[in-house]
Amino acid sequence: EDKVVQSPLSLVVHEGDTVTLNCSYEVTNFRSLLWYKQEKKAPTFLFMLTSSGIEKKSGRLSSILDKKELFSILNITATQTGDSAVYLCAPNYGNNRLAFGKGNQVVVIP
Amino acid sequence: EPEVTQTPSHQVTQMGQEVILRCVPISNHLYFYWYRQILGQKVEFLVSFYNNEISEKSEIFDDQFSVERPDGSNFTLKIRSTKLEDSAMYFCASRADGVGYTFGSGTRLTVV
Repeated sequence: EDKVVQSPLSLVVHEGDTVTLNCSYEVTNFRSLLWYKQEKKAPTFLFMLTSSGIEKKSGRLSSILDKKELFSILNITATQTGDSAVYLCAPNYGNNRLAFGKGNQVVVIP
Repeated sequence: EPEVTQTPSHQVTQMGQEVILRCVPISNHLYFYWYRQILGQKVEFLVSFYNNEISEKSEIFDDQFSVERPDGSNFTLKIRSTKLEDSAMYFCASRADGVGYTFGSGTRLTVV
């Protein structure tokens, strides 16, 4: 059985703050870990991480994976109101299926 | 940017009826998936499909569900004899080798 735990489940920050989102996982036959941003409907792809210790960056977002300790972090710097969303962590495992956590709900207030 | 397209965006059906949810994956993707998200809950894996057959299915995907790729572009999920607990957002996703999944915008299914 898969297990994905994200923390914090919910947080409220002010514009300009930095946010750190955590994801721990337990899956068999791990392949990669994906981060998605979900606003109204479809999750939109942010990062795919396959190797430990290599930070991936996209603008103000960055993410890193630790395959030994089985966790990943997503950082958002200089937050904007448009960053308000649920951030989903999803290890890709086994026969290429995703297991999702409950998500980190981020609210950025002006 | 290529997109996964799902239709309809919202479907209301009566309990016991059959529904077909449609998806057009990204054209050069070979792997197709259905996931669902019951309101307030996690996104759950339903089924994966490759080379015209099911690769893997979850325990949720019982005989009530079936998938099909009727032509070169569409990928459908059929739910027979719908139940109230089938009400959820259903997401189609596709991917190519070595890249992340792309999700469609979803079909909200409401069973009344």
